[in-house]
Amino acid sequence: EVQLVESGGGLVQPGGSLRLSCAASGFTFSSYWMHWVRQAPGKGLVWVSRINSDGSSTSYADSVKGRFTISRDNAKNTLYLQMNSLRAEDTAVYYCARDRRTGPDVWGQGTTVTVSS
Amino acid sequence: QTVVTQEPSLTVSPGGTVTLTCASSTGAVTSGYYPNWFQQKPGQAPRALIYSTSNKHSWTPARFSGSLLGGKAALTLSGVQPEDEAEYYCLLYYGGAQPHWVFGGGTKLTVL
Repeated sequence: EVQLVESGGGLVQPGGSLRLSCAASGFTFSSYWMHWVRQAPGKGLVWVSRINSDGSSTSYADSVKGRFTISRDNAKNTLYLQMNSLRAEDTAVYYCARDRRTGPDVWGQGTTVTVSS
Repeated sequence: QTVVTQEPSLTVSPGGTVTLTCASSTGAVTSGYYPNWFQQKPGQAPRALIYSTSNKHSWTPARFSGSLLGGKAALTLSGVQPEDEAEYYCLLYYGGAQPHWVFGGGTKLTVL
């Protein structure tokens, strides 16, 4: 079964850091691009970042550029999102999603990040 | 700042047909934007429905179809079922020197 499981969310103070993980199983992780997408409470989906299959190319939304870093470990079948200088507006459910170069197809269930003092 | 616009809400009767659209602030949406459509129900993760304008995933019900319509991406539901009540999001790809993706604001579809 194809599965993505996010972890690492939690409560963090403004200005703090957090690293999210997304464990993949049931497919050849190293063959797929991967995305992070977030959703603030009661709001719509927002694309955050994408990484290509070997990690050599990354893209970011302007709102997180310079603060967030996407990476992957294909040996561990795991995607990461390092989030620094967190702000209240980064509060959201963060989803990882697989992409076979046509758009996200399989999504995880999400992990919740709350930025508050 | 690129903006992708969808109808905020639509209502359809069971068994009816409805079309949701997705427009880009940069101009006409073409196949080069690789339009994707997603369904999200309350408390659930999004589920992919359509990729690359009109292609269905293996799990996508036949009543869902994607197209380009009047310079926009479109998602048509034919023979709407009560379980189709959900939020629907489109996603467009913007290539170039700094490739990125942008979601529309979502359409709340009510089946009534």
